[in-house]
Amino acid sequence: GAGVSQTPSNKVTEKGKYVELRCDPISGHTALYWYRQSLGQGPEFLIYFQGTGAADDSGLPNDRFFAVRPEGSVSTLKIQRTERGDSAVYLCASSRSGSQGTDTQYFGPGTRLTVL
Amino acid sequence: GQNIDQPTEMTATEGAIVQINCTYQTSGFNGLFWYQQHAGEAPTFLSYNVLDGLEEKGRFSSFLSRSKGYSYLLLKELQMKDSASYLCAVLSGGSYIPTFGRGTSLIVHP
Repeated sequence: GAGVSQTPSNKVTEKGKYVELRCDPISGHTALYWYRQSLGQGPEFLIYFQGTGAADDSGLPNDRFFAVRPEGSVSTLKIQRTERGDSAVYLCASSRSGSQGTDTQYFGPGTRLTVL
Repeated sequence: GQNIDQPTEMTATEGAIVQINCTYQTSGFNGLFWYQQHAGEAPTFLSYNVLDGLEEKGRFSSFLSRSKGYSYLLLKELQMKDSASYLCAVLSGGSYIPTFGRGTSLIVHP
């Protein structure tokens, strides 16, 4: 079927506002990852879901960031009280199981977040 | 923690061969990925190495030496469309979440 999709593709917001970024993984993939990528950098890990639960949220920079995956498919990354430093491309990836090294991650096109 | 190092930028000529190196320092090495990322697009999987040696896949090959903490991506018969960023990512410490390097921006010119 379709690949990983993310909406919106671009989001411009003002400092202090709340934003939600959505990720639709590949159907049947149980593992879902969120990354943040700044210009000229590689993707930086934020949080990993195995099914509905956050198996590893060690990459979330602070408590303004939160993510959910209530039914084990679609995930939403939520950022409260946005700051200019949050501006980046937020990438979502999914993989079949997330429990094997050979389990390839498939990335979505990303959401470009700009905080003014 | 992990330290992954790759050159920031490389240039090469269409039709030529280019080698992009990646060195890493980590504990509990579990595998190394190479991804290609065109500007403004998502990273796409190129290769995965967990054992020493060379893995060949068409025009692209990837090499790993675990004892040296070193990998390279070899691109042959370069095409203009190969202009992209190439990301090295390492699995370690029992985790299946890769840590990415900063990427190497490859510019292919005629």
